[in-house]
Amino acid sequence: EAGVTQSPRYAVLQEGQAVSFWCDPISGHDTLYWYQQPRDQGPQLLVYFRDEAVIDNSQLPSDRFSAVRPKGTNSTLKIQSAKQGDTATYLCASSLNRGYEQYFGPGTRLTVL
Amino acid sequence: GDQVKQSPSALSLQEGTNSALRCNFSIATTTVQWFLQNPRGSLMNLFYLVPGTKENGRLKSTFNSKESYSTLHIRDAQLEDSGTYFCAAEPSSSFSKLVFGQGTSLSVVP
Repeated sequence: EAGVTQSPRYAVLQEGQAVSFWCDPISGHDTLYWYQQPRDQGPQLLVYFRDEAVIDNSQLPSDRFSAVRPKGTNSTLKIQSAKQGDTATYLCASSLNRGYEQYFGPGTRLTVL
Repeated sequence: GDQVKQSPSALSLQEGTNSALRCNFSIATTTVQWFLQNPRGSLMNLFYLVPGTKENGRLKSTFNSKESYSTLHIRDAQLEDSGTYFCAAEPSSSFSKLVFGQGTSLSVVP
């Protein structure tokens, strides 16, 4: 069974540029999560979906970050105008349902110069 | 504040020795997950726990919800056990969200 896949694996931007991250969850998993992991810290939840619906986006910096999952399968996380403070690894995870074990993708390592 | 506190923050073990990592929770917790993050950044699932104990090979983990802690025991440490270990709590008040600790960086040396 294929795991969670993410692309790109790395991204380097100048401040003010936009970037999108893509995630393909494990087949059959209806719940999808995006986490931000700054260097030397634990992951922190940004947003999560059940099917195509956003369940919780309270930790998403809404002025510059957006996330969609239009068909309830793949998802895209976008940063409109990146700042140096956005430098981190962005991890996608999926679970069979809410409250079940979460499985993580390899992450996208973002550097904003 | 630190809702999930891991200790120690870093640890060096000689190959073949045993050790224990700990997480203390300041929030009511329903389930706990333990992960190992390798140098490339991938998070590998180790355990998914409701209150109780699980064992897998040289690893054993316990989640005590009444006393709000979880432990991960490593027996006969091997070089490939090196990496950063994270515990993550699913809060009773926030079904499905995971709150991570800051991690324990483990180095196993020959």
